[in-house]
Amino acid sequence: QAVLTQPPSVSGAPGQRVTISCTGSSSNLGAGYDVHWYQQLPGTAPKLLIYVNSNRPSGVPDRFSASKSGTSASLAITGLQAEDEADYYCQSYDISLSGFYVFGTGTKVTVL
Amino acid sequence: QVQLQESGPGLVKPSQTLSLTCTVSGGSISSGSYYWTWIRQPAGKGLEWIGRIYTTGSTNYNPSLKSRVTISMDTSKNHFSLNLKSVTAADTAVYYCARDVGAGMENWFFPWGQGTLVTVSS
Repeated sequence: QAVLTQPPSVSGAPGQRVTISCTGSSSNLGAGYDVHWYQQLPGTAPKLLIYVNSNRPSGVPDRFSASKSGTSASLAITGLQAEDEADYYCQSYDISLSGFYVFGTGTKVTVL
Repeated sequence: QVQLQESGPGLVKPSQTLSLTCTVSGGSISSGSYYWTWIRQPAGKGLEWIGRIYTTGSTNYNPSLKSRVTISMDTSKNHFSLNLKSVTAADTAVYYCARDVGAGMENWFFPWGQGTLVTVSS
């Protein structure tokens, strides 16, 4: 049911920069709705990582950054660390009859 | 700080009703302009938003689940609940509750409960 598309996986060596895309449509990101990002470490509940396109909650390292443009958004992790190995999800609002809150398909980040 | 904790049966028979409760501590569910939300995640799969309830009792549901879902709240116990009727194996998932933060529609979820696994099986 997810209507936001993410790559299934991305990987990088420690210290590298990786980016995760989140592609939506005219009924969600393209309509101007904000996007939020969550990190889910193995075996744990998702945790808010970024809210309202590019804002980091207190306690989230500044090596996590995000942006949004048109029907797409992206999350960047710079200076990749072993502890960043997790699943990442984008989330937004969808105005279509079949939508409301929608999540991305999720991206597994692997630290090589 | 606000914390959420899900509770309820871990095993539900097919065709029966799944009932879960989310107890909130560190804050009142009836104060502030917050919605309270349920989200689920089948094993190895992505997240699916189920529905939410506002402090006034107003609700919104995922259109794909709307016919089977009821979310309610009990302010005296500072908790809100999920009822999902006529369950099948496809409803087996980890169920999370979360506080829904924002101005109304473009909201985000913070914090989350730890989640509870519900298995639908006879």
